[in-house]
Amino acid sequence: AQTVTQSQPEMSVQEAETVTLSCTYDTSESDYYLFWYKQPPSRQMILVIRQEAYKQQNATENRFSVNFQKAAKSFSLKISDSQLGDAAMYFCAYRSKGAQKLVFGQGTRLTINP
Amino acid sequence: DSGVTQTPKHLITATGQRVTLRCSPRSGDLSVYWYQQSLDQGLQFLIQYYNGEERAKGNILERFSAQQFPDLHSELNLSSLELGDSALYFCASSATAAQYSYEQYFGPGTRLTVT
Repeated sequence: AQTVTQSQPEMSVQEAETVTLSCTYDTSESDYYLFWYKQPPSRQMILVIRQEAYKQQNATENRFSVNFQKAAKSFSLKISDSQLGDAAMYFCAYRSKGAQKLVFGQGTRLTINP
Repeated sequence: DSGVTQTPKHLITATGQRVTLRCSPRSGDLSVYWYQQSLDQGLQFLIQYYNGEERAKGNILERFSAQQFPDLHSELNLSSLELGDSALYFCASSATAAQYSYEQYFGPGTRLTVT
């Protein structure tokens, strides 16, 4: 079974600085999707960014980018120019190509210091 | 706003009772997923329906059941409730069950408290 591990329960960063959240996963499959979801205090799950495993190019969405290392099974999220509104729980998630369910990590709580 | 709606937002009930959580997917989405978020278990997939048919099952207890109706809304039924069932229950939807569809949109969740 696939597993997703987020080794940082909590992270903090100064406003306007850059922070990287770590995620590793375990799978025997070669084709899959990876995601980062944000869960602010409102509890809404918001998709931040996604990566297809067959793509070598790292995904980027405005201030959010990933470092996808397929051989190392690593999928980190970099947030540049951190803003107060980025404060939230961040979940890394895996989905195999043949299935629809998302497998989530335990989450990282990100605090932004003004 | 993801377009996925869930009712009720909050539910407080006693042990041994039965509750029903409701989800309406985004317009046009055929797949509905249910997830449970609890402090000790994290976010876990429970079950998926596609166009009225059960498509995948995860860590769903036998006391729990779900269905998807012809209008595509879904209900999650939780019975013989225990304290440990207290959690946030999310519904998500996506366009198809095909392997090319990978974006799931989450509803705001239903907070269930069992006392």
